[in-house]
Amino acid sequence: EVQLVQTGAEVKEPGESLKISCQGSGYSFNTYWIGWVRQRPGEGLELVGLVYGGDSDTRYSPSFRGQVTMSADKSVSAAYLQWTGLEASDSAIYFCARVSRLGGVNGVGAFDVWGQGTMVTVSS
Amino acid sequence: DIQLTQSPSFLSASVGDRVTITCRASQGISTFLAWYQQKPGRVPNLLISGASTLQSGVPSRFSGSGSGTEFTLTISNLQPEDFATYFCQQLNTYPTFGGGTKVEIK
Repeated sequence: EVQLVQTGAEVKEPGESLKISCQGSGYSFNTYWIGWVRQRPGEGLELVGLVYGGDSDTRYSPSFRGQVTMSADKSVSAAYLQWTGLEASDSAIYFCARVSRLGGVNGVGAFDVWGQGTMVTVSS
Repeated sequence: DIQLTQSPSFLSASVGDRVTITCRASQGISTFLAWYQQKPGRVPNLLISGASTLQSGVPSRFSGSGSGTEFTLTISNLQPEDFATYFCQQLNTYPTFGGGTKVEIK
């Protein structure tokens, strides 16, 4: 079974650092992109960016570039999303998702398998 | 960036109704469009890729159509478990999501 398992909920104070993970299993992690998606309470889905499992190549959405860092470690089939100075506005659920080759271009297709989400709360 | 506009953002319907949600792209995206369903407190679930290809396990009352800039998701014979929020996503260029359509019980 293809699965993505994410870090549990995190509570941090403004200015703190955080790194959350997404552990893949049941498929060849190093041949797929992973997408990170933010969902603030009561809001829609925003793509943070894409990270390739094989070589940690990254593509950031414009509004997230410089705000977060994505990486991947194929030796442990895990992708990561990290912050060095959290702000209250970073409070959200963060999902990771496998980027399939379904219905897309250049190997970037629909997001077919999702992690359970990591709730990040930033509050003083 | 390609912008996706979903309409309506909210709709109220009854069990058994036929429901149509529209997703418009700011420029042509061929059929590189996916639809997702998200129930409250749950993870998004891929329903349709390639504008009209139903994913395995998705009930046949769901259907997708369109190409270019206008797409529709239709749910025929709405069931209680279909009350959820639906998102479109374009995959022609760097992926982006539509704003979502919440389907509630009338």
